[in-house]
Amino acid sequence: DAKTTQPPSMDCAEGRAANLPCNHSTISGNEYVYWYRQIHSQGPQYIIHGLKNNETNEMASLIITEDRKSSTLILPHATLRDTAVYYCIVRGLTGTASKLTFGTGTRLQVTL
Amino acid sequence: EAQVTQNPRYLITVTGKKLTVTCSQNMNHEYMSWYRQDPGLGLRQIYYSMNVEVTDKGDVPEGYKVSRKEKRNFPLILESPSPNQTSLYFCASSLSPDRGRGYTFGSGTRLTVV
Repeated sequence: DAKTTQPPSMDCAEGRAANLPCNHSTISGNEYVYWYRQIHSQGPQYIIHGLKNNETNEMASLIITEDRKSSTLILPHATLRDTAVYYCIVRGLTGTASKLTFGTGTRLQVTL
Repeated sequence: EAQVTQNPRYLITVTGKKLTVTCSQNMNHEYMSWYRQDPGLGLRQIYYSMNVEVTDKGDVPEGYKVSRKEKRNFPLILESPSPNQTSLYFCASSLSPDRGRGYTFGSGTRLTVV
């Protein structure tokens, strides 16, 4: 699986959009970009994933650059409950690539 | 409610005393997996199962066993726990990871081995 690089921490004011970047310059053509988050010591929570098109669901939007070497997770209106560690994961879909390889993620602090 | 249920949530045990952490999912997921989380090391996969009676090692399988006799259950067995297995454990399941579906994680089991 391709390695990802994320900033260790970010701050965001409540009500503003939180834009979390992720670099994955070695991503290959059949690898997806996944985002998970972990609030305190709870189980990681799936947010969104995509291959090359931008994706949106009820939680967030995922913007993937045309060359697929980076992506941005957007929380449109961050709340205090969005304070968590956010993990960007790149993985293929075949065989043992079913594994999720978690890095160190970005610790997002949402403040009043 | 669709969920992955782990038990117990907290466990303190002594070295060498066999224990089992249970994991059950009610979503008819084929794929299940166990992870451990340690400070500075992140989440690491212990074992996974693609379906009933099909299990395989992850990155850190030493000292652990698993079984998958039924689709919904995937217990994690520590035959002779040691202090280096003190950790936060998570079970996860997915309908079809090969089709890009997300994983659902349990709430975690905090294990302390003294």
